[in-house]
Amino acid sequence: EAQVTQNPRYLITVTGKKLTVTCSQNMNHEYMSWYRQDPGLGLRQIYYSMNVEVTDKGDVPEGYKVSRKEKRNFPLILESPSPNQTSLYFCASKGVFQPDTQYFGPGTRLTVL
Amino acid sequence: ILNVEQSPQSLHVQEGDSTNFTCSFPSSNFYALHWYRWETAKSPEALFVMTLNGDEKKKGRISATLNTKEGYSYLYIKGSQPEDSATYLCAFYNFNKFYFGSGTKLNVKP
Repeated sequence: EAQVTQNPRYLITVTGKKLTVTCSQNMNHEYMSWYRQDPGLGLRQIYYSMNVEVTDKGDVPEGYKVSRKEKRNFPLILESPSPNQTSLYFCASKGVFQPDTQYFGPGTRLTVL
Repeated sequence: ILNVEQSPQSLHVQEGDSTNFTCSFPSSNFYALHWYRWETAKSPEALFVMTLNGDEKKKGRISATLNTKEGYSYLYIKGSQPEDSATYLCAFYNFNKFYFGSGTKLNVKP
């Protein structure tokens, strides 16, 4: 089954404790992306990757890091989480040729105390 | 940061009503416009990817049109059903980035 998986699905942590949210896709997609969703705001792009070792900032990259060492994986790293990073996070992937549908993972709900 | 606006913010209709929503986006540097359906406690699911001015796409009772010159897209639902209740998102895609609107929340009453 074609899918995007994320782990963990729920996480409660404390300020300053480094964490990683994993994302994996099995569709051989070149493009992968991370979004955050906050009440009253639309989805906002954090980082995206056009292919292995190619990453770039979205609209809200501050406080986040990413890496793309393998095509299928695109982890999101919070080196020193803060309460304002409490949010619902989605990973997504798509091919690079138009028109290409973007597929979303199930989401990770993160709470930073 | 590009501005993508959706209207209305929310909509309450009766089962069987037809309805439509609007997505407005910058008319310059257009590459693609995506529509998604997002049910509560689930993740967004793609409905359409639109790339050409004048494009019209259809999936069952849902259809969408695109006007890239004036920067808008309409999503239509014919004969709404309770299972159509969801938030409908549009996203403007250009220079490899996505810019999402804040969505239209549709509630269809039986």
